[in-house]
Amino acid sequence: GAGVSQSPRYKVAKRGQDVALRCDPISGHVSLFWYQQALGQGPEFLTYFQNEAQLDKSGLPSDRFFAERPEGSVSTLKIQRTQQEDSAVYLCASSFYDRALDLSDNEQFFGPGTRLTVL
Amino acid sequence: DQQVKQNSPSLSVQEGRISILNCDYTNSMFDYFLWYKKYPAEGPTFLISISSIKDKNEDGRFTVFLNKSAKHLSLHIVPSQPGDSAVYFCAARLTGGGNKLTFGTGTQLKVEL
Repeated sequence: GAGVSQSPRYKVAKRGQDVALRCDPISGHVSLFWYQQALGQGPEFLTYFQNEAQLDKSGLPSDRFFAERPEGSVSTLKIQRTQQEDSAVYLCASSFYDRALDLSDNEQFFGPGTRLTVL
Repeated sequence: DQQVKQNSPSLSVQEGRISILNCDYTNSMFDYFLWYKKYPAEGPTFLISISSIKDKNEDGRFTVFLNKSAKHLSLHIVPSQPGDSAVYFCAARLTGGGNKLTFGTGTQLKVEL
C-alpha cells in the first residue's frame, strides 16, 4: 500500500535560493504535519493542516517559511532565500482524523523526509 | 527549552537481553506519550503509546511504563533482537494542543549478536 511520499529526497541549494518540498500524504488522511529535523536532534513541529486549512503554524522559524495544501491533499513547504541554518531533514506526516475517533487512535505516519543542504 | 529529554544518546545491549530506553519530560500538560523507531534514510515509524491516565502499556516484546510523579517514561524491549537496532524517539502530545508532537533527541540502540 502507498505510504507518505516526499520529493525530492535530497536537495542541495545555494544560499539565497528558494526551494519547494513536496509531500503526498496517505489517501484519505485529513491531517498533515511538517517537521524539521536538524542533525542529531529530534523532529521539531513546523506546521499543521486539517484538510486545506492551516490550523497551526506556530513552529515555522521565520517568514521565509511558507506551507500550503490548497486542495486538502498534496502539500508544499516553501523556503525562500535559504540560509545555511535551514539545512535539515524535512519530514511530512499524515493521519486520519475523524471527529468521532479518540485522538489517541490518531497515529501519524511519516514520510522518508527530504534532506536539504544549503551551501 | 527541551521539554522532552532523552539523556542517553546511545545504548548497546546483547541479543536476547532487555533494552531499557528512558525519557523525561518537563511539561505536566502532556497527555499522551509515544515511542517512534527510525532506521537510516527512513521516516520514524510508530511503535507504542501510552495515555497519561495509565502507567503501563504492553504490545508483544515492547512495554512502555509511565511514572507521572517523576515525569518519566521508559520503553522496555524483551528480548532484544538485532533488527531492533535503530534510533528510538520519545514523543509527547500536549493537552489541547492538537495532535502535534514534541520529540526528544533520540537514543541509538545497538543490539549485538
